[in-house]
Amino acid sequence: QKEVEQDPGPLSVPEGAIVSLNCTYSNSAFQYFMWYRQYSRKGPELLMYTYSSGNKEDGRFTAQVDKSSKYISLFIRDSQPSDSATYLCAMSEDMTGGGADGLTFGKGTHLIIQP
Amino acid sequence: GAVVSQHPSRVICKSGTSVKIECRSLDFQATTMFWYRQFPKQSLMLMATSNEGSKATYEQGVEKDKFLINHASLTLSTLTVTSAHPEDSSFYICSATGGAAYNEQFFGPGTRLTVL
Repeated sequence: QKEVEQDPGPLSVPEGAIVSLNCTYSNSAFQYFMWYRQYSRKGPELLMYTYSSGNKEDGRFTAQVDKSSKYISLFIRDSQPSDSATYLCAMSEDMTGGGADGLTFGKGTHLIIQP
Repeated sequence: GAVVSQHPSRVICKSGTSVKIECRSLDFQATTMFWYRQFPKQSLMLMATSNEGSKATYEQGVEKDKFLINHASLTLSTLTVTSAHPEDSSFYICSATGGAAYNEQFFGPGTRLTVL
């Protein structure tokens, strides 16, 4: 069983829809959870991070973590064509953030927002 | 946010040759740099962790003699793929952390390596 599972998609939704992206994990030592966005042939850019169960909101994005279920989600409201990209979840055992240890990534979900 | 660059962005080489990839932190001192590899439709896989002035720590299954990592300064780390073979063709991405950016990894744009 892989440490982080993420459906690669593609996930295609119409513009304006709410998008739900999810990852499950098996390592209970993961403390820090991140969502990255990656455009084709580019490096990932950090969207959001959280280190506790619950919700965290930033504009149109909401990150949700359920440590008891080992399940994290990213919600995108009012989705735009410019949101079309690959979204990767990433996790770290490092409690101070994602800087001290290498990250464990999911495969990424390819998201397509149709105009 | 902090900026990390990689050079070259794309390289094509013949089998058996060595290729060097540079990773630079442009506006902060990177005490730690990470090297990842990403195959098509696969996740980024951590290859090694590099602390400035120290030997790199390699993940299980990554050959340290094949993937030479040097982190000689606080702004530069290099990955050299020695005696490259077609199966080494991949997208190599570095990330850096340090200073005020201690709790986040900033990723470079990646280097596409194709070995013929």
